Amino acid sequence: DAGVIQSPRHEVTEMGQEVTLRCKPISGHNSLFWYRQTMMRGLELLIYFNNNVPIDDSGMPEDRFSAKMPNASFSTLKIQPSEPRDSAVYFCASSFVGSEDEQFFGPGTRLTVL
Amino acid sequence: DAKTTQPPSMDCAEGRAANLPCNHSTISGNEYVYWYRQIHSQGPQYIIHGLKNNETNEMASLIITEDRKSSTLILPHATLRDTAVYYCIVRAPNSGYALNFGKGTSLLVTP
Repeated sequence: DAGVIQSPRHEVTEMGQEVTLRCKPISGHNSLFWYRQTMMRGLELLIYFNNNVPIDDSGMPEDRFSAKMPNASFSTLKIQPSEPRDSAVYFCASSFVGSEDEQFFGPGTRLTVL
Repeated sequence: DAKTTQPPSMDCAEGRAANLPCNHSTISGNEYVYWYRQIHSQGPQYIIHGLKNNETNEMASLIITEDRKSSTLILPHATLRDTAVYYCIVRAPNSGYALNFGKGTSLLVTP
């Protein structure tokens, strides 16, 4: 298995533009998590899905952020419009609830909003 | 999830054992201790977890005190590639919940 796949790995955009981050979880996993990491706040959860259904989106900063999981093998995190304070590394992780519940993380997307 | 306390940083000489402590005095009976690490510019990586017995795998050993209020992650022969931030997380397994990473311990392995 290739592990959790995220794209793009790096994204540089200008304030006000729409940004879409993509994630392919490990096949067979039933939970998917989006985290954000900044120097100031460390690693924090944005949203997580179980069986493609959003369970907890309390970490989503504001309405500019939205996440979807149309099927078990794909998820997107969209920011519209983007702002400089959204600059961070965004990680996607997946796990299989019902086993040891280990979470596997992707390599992350480094987002820079100018 | 119970709160954990870790030292902010530690040093270890290459080839020596690295012992990373974690306090979790409010841990509940059904909560496990999980350890993850994050090497610079990479996503976090699972290391090991345990409930009350000591655990060992190919990466590390986990020693949990009898009262379960603290634990130690042991890297028996640290290498330069073990330089990373190590996170101790307490949570119930199979909950499907997200991980609360906290600040972790920054381990520097020196030549």
